[in-house]
Amino acid sequence: DAGVIQSPRHEVTEMGQEVTLRCKPISGHNSLFWYRQTMMRGLELLIYFNNNVPIDDSGMPEDRFSAKMPNASFSTLKIQPSEPRDSAVYFCASSFWGPGQPQHFGDGTRLSIL
Amino acid sequence: QQPVQSPQAVILREGEDAVINCSSSKALYSVHWYRQKHGEAPIFLMILLKGGEQKGHDKISASFNEKKQQSSLYLTASQLSYSGTYFCGTEAYSGAGSYQLTFGKGTKLSVIP
Repeated sequence: DAGVIQSPRHEVTEMGQEVTLRCKPISGHNSLFWYRQTMMRGLELLIYFNNNVPIDDSGMPEDRFSAKMPNASFSTLKIQPSEPRDSAVYFCASSFWGPGQPQHFGDGTRLSIL
Repeated sequence: QQPVQSPQAVILREGEDAVINCSSSKALYSVHWYRQKHGEAPIFLMILLKGGEQKGHDKISASFNEKKQQSSLYLTASQLSYSGTYFCGTEAYSGAGSYQLTFGKGTKLSVIP
């Protein structure tokens, strides 16, 4: 079975540019999570969706960040405009909805903003 | 609120045992454990549910003390492949019928020959 698929794996861009990260969750999973990982702050939850609906976006750092899930098999995380402090590894994870469900992570996108 | 993991790092020789602890100030529904190798995604190891039994597979097991909101991960007879960063995730009710998983900062485990 295919796992969570993220693209691109690596992204290097200049400050001020728009960045779009993509995620395809595991088929059948109805919860999707976006995380950011840095050395300083560890693994932070940015936003999560249940059945394509955003439930909690309190972790989104600022209005420059936005996330969408137009259907059950695709989600995007957009940063516009990007800043050097946005450099991090961004992970997407999916699970079945409800407590006690393990989350399955994609391989992540390593984002560098110059 | 982020759970607290200890120790932050540990170095073991092959065959030695280790314990990683995770504690939370919240009333927990479950505790998740993940392992992440450098440059890779976190991989799910196990979940301990409130009221559930101690879990384990192979030489890795874990326990959950509901009264103290603490969990421990036990690695016995460590192997080189156990090296990585171990994260606990604590799951608590966040309102409106939802539960949220919050990860600790991780424990870096290095197993040397």
